[in-house]
Amino acid sequence: AQKVTQAQTEISVVEKEDVTLDCVYETRDTTYYLFWYKQPPSGELVFLIRRNSFDEQNEISGRYSWNFQKSTSSFNFTITASQVVDSAVYFCALSEAEGAQKLVFGQGTRLTINP
Amino acid sequence: DSGVTQTPKHLITATGQRVTLRCSPRSGDLSVYWYQQSLDQGLQFLIQYYNGEERAKGNILERFSAQQFPDLHSELNLSSLELGDSALYFCASSLHRASGSHNEQFFGPGTRLTVL
Repeated sequence: AQKVTQAQTEISVVEKEDVTLDCVYETRDTTYYLFWYKQPPSGELVFLIRRNSFDEQNEISGRYSWNFQKSTSSFNFTITASQVVDSAVYFCALSEAEGAQKLVFGQGTRLTINP
Repeated sequence: DSGVTQTPKHLITATGQRVTLRCSPRSGDLSVYWYQQSLDQGLQFLIQYYNGEERAKGNILERFSAQQFPDLHSELNLSSLELGDSALYFCASSLHRASGSHNEQFFGPGTRLTVL
């Protein structure tokens, strides 16, 4: 069965600090996809990144970076030099290659960046 | 703006009633998904349609049903509503490629349903 765990329920940091959001997943498939979504206070879900299980290269996009480690079944997300606009709930999600293309979401991490 | 539209934005109704939520996918996307977000259950997959046909079902109650029309818009019907059905309902769409390649899903703004 698929499962995504985001152990950090809430994180609060001061602006300009770096922050890492943890994501651990479980799957029996060898081919799968991992995602991160952002849900700002306005409520919509914003797509951030998609990785497939064969691509373990770390990804960087501006202040955002993602570290995918198959050995520990983790797909962590780091925000460098955080800004107040980064305040949101962040969701990690998993989709297995076989069967439905549904997303299985973690419980989310509420990130608050204080000025 | 993801390109996925959902109406209405807010819906307030009473227990026992029936409501219909509407979703228009991004141009070119053939797959539509419905998710429910509630405080106790988090984000849960309900159902997926691909080009008019039901593709997968999640933990969708029998009181709930959905369909996708020839123009690819989708509707989620919720009947015999209970207090516990109060939630944010999201529609998402994706470009459906060959099996095994899962594309990112783009989410609409959601419909907030309140059952009183």
